[in-house]
Amino acid sequence: DTGVSQDPRHKITKRGQNVTFRCDPISEHNRLYWYRQTLGQGPEFLTYFQNEAQLEKSRLLSDRFSAERPKGSFSTLEIQRTEQGDSAMYLCASSGGQVSYEQYFGPGTRLTVT
Amino acid sequence: QQQVKQSPQSLIVQKGGISIINCAYENTAFDYFPWYQQFPGKGPALLIAIRPDVSEKKEGRFTISFNKSAKQFSLHIMDSQPGDSATYFCAASETSYDKVIFGPGTSLSVIP
Repeated sequence: DTGVSQDPRHKITKRGQNVTFRCDPISEHNRLYWYRQTLGQGPEFLTYFQNEAQLEKSRLLSDRFSAERPKGSFSTLEIQRTEQGDSAMYLCASSGGQVSYEQYFGPGTRLTVT
Repeated sequence: QQQVKQSPQSLIVQKGGISIINCAYENTAFDYFPWYQQFPGKGPALLIAIRPDVSEKKEGRFTISFNKSAKQFSLHIMDSQPGDSATYFCAASETSYDKVIFGPGTSLSVIP
C-alpha cells in the first residue's frame, strides 16, 4: 500500500456546477478525515469518519457539502452549486492500524471554481 | 478566532543554522501537539509530536520544547539544510485520533 490517494488531483469547474472528489485511505485505517486548505493557510477540518459512521462535521461544511464513506473504505466529498469561495485544496487523511494516532495525508485535490 | 497561533510567518536561515518556530494555544483540552511539514504540491506529513506531560522531545535534528503553564510550544531544527525548506505547521488536538487544529504555517527557506 503506497498511502492515501485522492482523485482527481486537479479540478476546474464553473460556478454553479457540482463536483465530487474521491479519497482512498490506507487499507487498514478505520478513521478518515477531510480538510480544506486555502493558499497560505493551514488545513481546516471539515469532517471525520470512523468506519462508515460520520462522527463529526465542522460548521465550515455548509449544506452544499456532503461526504460519504459507504463501506468504511473509500470516501467521497461532493460540493453542490460550487461558489468561487470553494476554491481550495481538499485534503484527505486516514489513521488507524498499528500506529493509531498519526494522520497520513493524501496529496489533495485542488479545486478551482471560475 | 485562531485556536493555534504560530510565528514567524516566514523564516530564512543559513545552512547549518538553527530554525526556531513558536506556537501558542488557548484550549486547555488540547492533549496532543503534532508538527507537520508540507512541501509544495504535497499533503502535510507528520514530523514529530508531543504530549503536555513531556517538556521536550528530540528526534534527530528536530526538537519540540513544550511549556504547559505558558501554553506555548516550539520547534527547533538544528543544522538546518536546504532540503528542510518547506512550510511547517504546528497543530493541536484533544486526543491523538481527534481532528487536528492547524496553525497558519511558517514558510522556511534554508539558503546555502
